[in-house]
Amino acid sequence: GQNIDQPTEMTATEGAIVQINCTYQTSGFNGLFWYQQHAGEAPTFLSYNVLDGLEEKGRFSSFLSRSKGYSYLLLKELQMKDSASYLCAVDRGSTLGRLYFGRGTQLTVWP
Amino acid sequence: GAVVSQHPSWVICKSGTSVKIECRSLDFQATTMFWYRQFPKQSLMLMATSNEGSKATYEQGVEKDKFLINHASLTLSTLTVTSAHPEDSSFYICSAPGPLSYEQYFGPGTRLTVT
Repeated sequence: GQNIDQPTEMTATEGAIVQINCTYQTSGFNGLFWYQQHAGEAPTFLSYNVLDGLEEKGRFSSFLSRSKGYSYLLLKELQMKDSASYLCAVDRGSTLGRLYFGRGTQLTVWP
Repeated sequence: GAVVSQHPSWVICKSGTSVKIECRSLDFQATTMFWYRQFPKQSLMLMATSNEGSKATYEQGVEKDKFLINHASLTLSTLTVTSAHPEDSSFYICSAPGPLSYEQYFGPGTRLTVT
C-alpha cells in the first residue's frame, strides 16, 4: 500500500531551527513536495525535490533521499507566522500532479 | 503567478440535495485538474483527476456516481456532490498544474456543510 508518515505535532521557539521529517513508501515516485497550510486555507507550495540532495530557498530547505524513502523540511529563524500545518506529499507519477499527502505536522512557534 | 479560484467559498445545503462546486484556472489553461477532500484535522485526500474533454479518473473508494466531475473547458472543472449527506461535509479543494508542470496550484477551497 501507500504510506506517508510525518510527526503529528512539533513545537519550537522564535528564532530557532526545526526539522520536520517525512518517510514514504509508494508504488511510484515522481517527486516529493512540501506545502504549508494555515487552518481553513488552501495549501501553499514550499518546495519540490525529485533528485537526491538539498534544495535551499531562503529560510526553508528540503532534503530528499530516494533510496531511503526519506525527506525533511528545515525551517530556520522561525517566526510566529510559521505556525501552521506542514504537509509532505508524493507525486506517484502515473499522471503528473496526483499528490498523496501525509497527515501533516502541526508546528507551533512560541515567542 | 498562476491563480486558481473556487466558487462558492462555503455552502450549506440540506441532506438529499445536490451541490455544485466550480474550480477555475484564471490566467492559464489546465487540461487536468485534481479534486481533494479534507476532513477536520486530517490531510488532503485525492478524490479524482478531472480531464478536459474526457471522463474523470476516480481514486479507489470514491463513488463516481456520487461525485460527478465535469471538465468542459480548459479553465473550468466542476464537482457536483449528489444526494449530499452530513458525512459529505468537508473542505473540498481543487488544484491545477501551473506553467512549471511539477508545481500544483491550489484553489482556496470550498467548505461544504450538509445539515
